[in-house]
Amino acid sequence: SQELEQSPQSLIVQEGKNLTINCTSSKTLYGLYWYKQKYGEGLIFLMMLQKGGEEKSHEKITAKLDEKKQQSSLHITASQPSHAGIYLCGAETGNTGKLIFGQGTTLQVKP
Amino acid sequence: NAGVTQTPKFQVLKTGQSMTLQCAQDMNHNSMYWYRQDPGMGLRLIYYSASEGTTDKGEVPNGYNVSRLNKREFSLRLESAAPSQTSVYFCASSEQGLNEQYFGPGTRLTVT
Repeated sequence: SQELEQSPQSLIVQEGKNLTINCTSSKTLYGLYWYKQKYGEGLIFLMMLQKGGEEKSHEKITAKLDEKKQQSSLHITASQPSHAGIYLCGAETGNTGKLIFGQGTTLQVKP
Repeated sequence: NAGVTQTPKFQVLKTGQSMTLQCAQDMNHNSMYWYRQDPGMGLRLIYYSASEGTTDKGEVPNGYNVSRLNKREFSLRLESAAPSQTSVYFCASSEQGLNEQYFGPGTRLTVT
């Protein structure tokens, strides 16, 4: 069973369109990490959120952590082919020093 | 700086064979991790080492052993490989605990 659920599992969008990926936990999140993985490669860190209500942006990617710290969203504005890949959320749900990961969302951007 | 390096990149084993996956980091990080990635399952933690000299089990430790050789190196050993261990294995490191984790490029392992 997955403690961290991502939705959707896969997404195909036309270049230029906006999109949102969600990451939901049944437990309070102590830290939420977003990573991107290109096919056949390792994970690249995007952003970390720790405070309820926190929002961070990097270029055209914005991530938010809701007030109750049980859900995060990743929003991409005006998607480009370079945004294609697998997006994973990782989180700590207790003072364990370990992360659990969602199952990932595969994004395809059609030119 | 090379970051996190893993060897080998690809490996095919027969059931029952053993092998060791190597991981090294040059960022002077205290914590190191081994994950496996399977389709539809995300990343699952196999073992981790919070600091040199310590190791602890993660979510899926059965069939694996680890060694934190020194601060730089953290190896993962499969004593008797099984087809269920076919996966992509990632090593990661972080300064301490929950800081940002840096990942290696992965090892794609097939057990026939």
